[in-house]
Amino acid sequence: KAGVTQTPRYLIKTRGQQVTLSCSPISGHRSVSWYQQTPGQGLQFLFEYFSETQRNKGNFPGRFSGRQFSNSRSEMNVSTLELGDSALYLCASSLEGVGRRGGYTFGSGTRLTVV
Amino acid sequence: KNEVEQSPQNLTAQEGEFITINCSYSVGISALHWLQQHPGGGIVSLFMLSSGKKKHGRLIATINIQEKHSSLHITASHPRDSAVYICAVKRLVNGGSQGNLIFGKGTKLSVKP
Repeated sequence: KAGVTQTPRYLIKTRGQQVTLSCSPISGHRSVSWYQQTPGQGLQFLFEYFSETQRNKGNFPGRFSGRQFSNSRSEMNVSTLELGDSALYLCASSLEGVGRRGGYTFGSGTRLTVV
Repeated sequence: KNEVEQSPQNLTAQEGEFITINCSYSVGISALHWLQQHPGGGIVSLFMLSSGKKKHGRLIATINIQEKHSSLHITASHPRDSAVYICAVKRLVNGGSQGNLIFGKGTKLSVKP
């Protein structure tokens, strides 16, 4: 079966711009979560969506937002980009529903560079 | 203090050696994950544990819930095992499994031929 697909793989943006990243989960997976990875902070949780509802949100400013569509595909948006937003953005999908414990399948990530 | 601590940060081994990576956590969890990340960024989920021990090929993962500690062992290490190994815990929230993942800083493993 197809894995988790993230697009684009690489992106270069200018400070102040906004960016939208896309994540298509494994078919049948209803949970999609997003993570930011930087050399200094490591992996940090951004948010999680389940059945089009944001279920959890990490400690990031409001410039970071996301949504999930009825087909479980998810997008995250970062507005007013700052240099510190340069990072690898990873999404993961899971079969997990309420009361279930699912493993995660990660996408290859989008490497965002803000100049 | 980080909620998830891994040791060592860096590890160099000779091919064939037995390797252990440790993970300690300070929060209530519903599950613990071991992840592998190769250069280039892709992350592969190796194990998900909530108790006991799991084995997959040359990899073994154990967890002690009472001591809040987990170990990842690699037997007969090989250069292709060179990667960053990351421990992540799923925080227990309201007795369910809806908490987010909290990650350790990772252990960079290099296996020399």
